[in-house]
Amino acid sequence: EAGVAQSPRYKIIEKRQSVAFWCNPISGHATLYWYQQILGQGPKLLIQFQNNGVVDDSQLPKDRFSAERLKGVDSTLKIQPAKLEDSAVYLCASSLAPSGTGQYNQPQHFGDGTRLSIL
Amino acid sequence: AQSVAQPEDQVNVAEGNPLTVKCTYSVSGNPYLFWYVQYPNRGLQFLLKYITGDNLVKGSYGFEAEFNKSQTSFHLKKPSALVSDSALYFCAVRARISSGSARQLTFGSGTQLTVLP
Repeated sequence: EAGVAQSPRYKIIEKRQSVAFWCNPISGHATLYWYQQILGQGPKLLIQFQNNGVVDDSQLPKDRFSAERLKGVDSTLKIQPAKLEDSAVYLCASSLAPSGTGQYNQPQHFGDGTRLSIL
Repeated sequence: AQSVAQPEDQVNVAEGNPLTVKCTYSVSGNPYLFWYVQYPNRGLQFLLKYITGDNLVKGSYGFEAEFNKSQTSFHLKKPSALVSDSALYFCAVRARISSGSARQLTFGSGTQLTVLP
């Protein structure tokens, strides 16, 4: 099966500019995640969608970050305006979402990420 | 709040020797536990998970992990290391009964494994 697709792979912008990332999950995966991975750290969840609804965005800096998944498939993550501390790899992941507690033990499948550098 | 500790930033092992990458966790109630591997400039790949039942879980590429509830640990092991196992390994935890932030998969900070030829 095709994996999680992300683009672009690399992006360099200046602070205060805006940037957008795109993700196409594995076909049939209802749950989609965006993570921020800062160098030397594990991924940190920014937002989780189930179909086109937001399940958890508690760690998303909503004053500058936004995300959408309008048709329950592809998703975009936007940063506007960018700050120096946003330099990181942004990972998209997807998983199946069976009913009941099974949704919480599904492995997540990750894309290769977008490496964002802020100058 | 749930958390994961990977006490070793770096583990070095000779090829052919057994390897262990340590992980301890803190979570309310019973956990779901996961191991992922990350190669340079790539996303994370799922290795194995513990849900319930047998404390020894077998996963991809000959890896296994042992769940120890009393020590709240989930160490990753492999009987014979390969040079190609060299990568960054992440342990992750999620509460079995998930609500609020406990729905999130919480990752450790990672352990860099280097297998020396």
